[in-house]
Amino acid sequence: NAGVTQTPKFRVLKTGQSMTLLCAQDMNHEYMYWYRQDPGMGLRLIHYSVGEGTTAKGEVPDGYNVSRLKKQNFLLGLESAAPSQTSVYFCASSFGDADSVTQYFGPGTRLLVL
Amino acid sequence: AQSVSQHNHHVILSEAASLELGCNYSYGGTVNLFWYVQYPGQHLQLLLKYFSGDPLVKGIKGFEAEFIKSKFSFNLRKPSVQWSDTAEYFCAVNSLNDMRFGAGTRLTVKP
Repeated sequence: NAGVTQTPKFRVLKTGQSMTLLCAQDMNHEYMYWYRQDPGMGLRLIHYSVGEGTTAKGEVPDGYNVSRLKKQNFLLGLESAAPSQTSVYFCASSFGDADSVTQYFGPGTRLLVL
Repeated sequence: AQSVSQHNHHVILSEAASLELGCNYSYGGTVNLFWYVQYPGQHLQLLLKYFSGDPLVKGIKGFEAEFIKSKFSFNLRKPSVQWSDTAEYFCAVNSLNDMRFGAGTRLTVKP
């Protein structure tokens, strides 16, 4: 049982390039989330999904897109990377119902946009 | 929108000292409250959580937190810290799938 995994672990992009971050979970969780972590700002929710085929905007969605084609995977896309998107990205998942909102986090992806 | 405030950005303690980290939130409805810990180079791990019932919640590694509804607070405590508690601690509040994290408190424990 691997829990929540993220690929890649680290990536360097040039401004304007695109990339996709992959999150996978093997806990049969309904809900999945993408956060970014910046110094002094904690974690901020980018997008989340409450089930396969659904996505919703979080606190800071601009510049990102997501897809949840399979229940176990949640993809985060950057169409045209900007230096402001330099951050550490964390994926999380949870069962999602009212008594099971505890989120389990992946190891993170460190992204540097030059 | 709800928000979470952690007033201490960096706390430095000696081993065996007592710890209290503050967390306040701004939301009037029903909330679920969490403390997560992030050890150096690692991902976030759940320390403890409060959903309902006894407002004094005990978590792993000797940590506890008290939910005081009237003060909108969920402070984290540990009677005697260890060097291995050096980490960043995040308070989080969830309401209707809107999860908000505080900015985090970095704890450094000197041996």
